[in-house]
Amino acid sequence: RKEVEQDPGPFNVPEGATVAFNCTYSNSASQSFFWYRQDCRKEPKLLMSVYSSGNEDGRFTAQLNRASQYISLLIRDSKLSDSATYLCVVTLPGGKLIFGQGTELSVKP
Amino acid sequence: GAVVSQHPSWVICKSGTSVKIECRSLDFQATTMFWYRQFPKQSLMLMATSNEGSKATYEQGVEKDKFLINHASLTLSTLTVTSAHPEDSSFYICSATTSGLYETQYFGPGTRLLVL
Repeated sequence: RKEVEQDPGPFNVPEGATVAFNCTYSNSASQSFFWYRQDCRKEPKLLMSVYSSGNEDGRFTAQLNRASQYISLLIRDSKLSDSATYLCVVTLPGGKLIFGQGTELSVKP
Repeated sequence: GAVVSQHPSWVICKSGTSVKIECRSLDFQATTMFWYRQFPKQSLMLMATSNEGSKATYEQGVEKDKFLINHASLTLSTLTVTSAHPEDSSFYICSATTSGLYETQYFGPGTRLLVL
């Protein structure tokens, strides 16, 4: 079983759509949780941290459910510029980052 | 914000040659640098963790004699792929952190290696 598993994708959605990404992690000792965005042929960039209380940043909402070891990212009113691969990332005890394989999003006009 | 650079951004080489990739923290001192590898459509995989002035810690399955890492200063780490083969073709990304805060990693732009 992969340590971090994401929806396989790709997701093709029209502009303005709401899209949700799911992620599960296997290590119950995971400490911190993040969503990164990676554009084609570029390095990953931190999009937002994820907290159990849930957090929102503009059109982006992230949720964490520790009991079910599940993380989600919701993008509302999607823009063309949201097209990218979204990476679910967890931190293990000791600090090592574990990346999911990513879910590709393509927003079409 | 903190800036990390990598050089070169891409390299094409013949099988059997060695390739050196540099990772620099431009405006901060990086106590720890990390080297990742990413194959197409796959996740970033940590190869090794490098602390300034000490030997790198390699992840399981990563050959330390093939992927030589040197972290000679607080702003520079190098990864040398020795005797590169086509299966080493990948996207190599470094990241750097300050004060041992692993959660705050600043990523370099990556180096795309193609071995013919």
